[in-house]
Amino acid sequence: GAGVSQSPRYKVAKRGQDVALRCDPISGHVSLFWYQQALGQGPEFLTYFQNEAQLDKSGLPSDRFFAERPEGSVSTLKIQRTQQEDSAVYLCASSLRRGRGGRNSPLHFGNGTRLTVT
Amino acid sequence: DQQVKQNSPSLSVQEGRISILNCDYTNSMFDYFLWYKKYPAEGPTFLISISSIKDKNEDGRFTVFLNKSAKHLSLHIVPSQPGDSAVYFCAASRGGSQGNLIFGKGTKLSVKP
Repeated sequence: GAGVSQSPRYKVAKRGQDVALRCDPISGHVSLFWYQQALGQGPEFLTYFQNEAQLDKSGLPSDRFFAERPEGSVSTLKIQRTQQEDSAVYLCASSLRRGRGGRNSPLHFGNGTRLTVT
Repeated sequence: DQQVKQNSPSLSVQEGRISILNCDYTNSMFDYFLWYKKYPAEGPTFLISISSIKDKNEDGRFTVFLNKSAKHLSLHIVPSQPGDSAVYFCAASRGGSQGNLIFGKGTKLSVKP
């Protein structure tokens, strides 16, 4: 079956440009997460949605980062006025049930969007 | 301050032998632990998990051991196969509203034929 789909796979942005990253979760999955993975690091939590409600955005590094999931399925992560330190792989994950720690149902990750800010 | 630590960036093992990947954590509130496997250019894939009420969980060739007093867990792969070559991430979570998955930096496993 279809997994979590992310687009684009690669994005090169000039410093100061706005970008939008898309995530199509597995159909019917309630929970959706965004993670940021810098080179040589593990994924770091950005934000969590339960259906259309954004329940936790504590990991977003600045107010330039904004995420939405208006109809409880597709999600978009937007980064305004990109900076070089935003360069990373942005991973989206979804899980079938409520809950954020993977204990109710495992997180299924997409292949990520590699963002390079020049 | 890193709450989940994987101190070995890489590990090389001969095919057929045991692979042991280690993970330490500092937050005593963590009560659920997971291992994810990641191939290049792909997202992490869930491998195995363990709750803090257990000290061992086994799934085929993969076994996770948890030592709560030492705040240490390990993943054993027996026998190791070349297809197991990947980066392995340890992750932990706690219950409640702050229970997001916290990942380690990963250990790159190479299984040589």
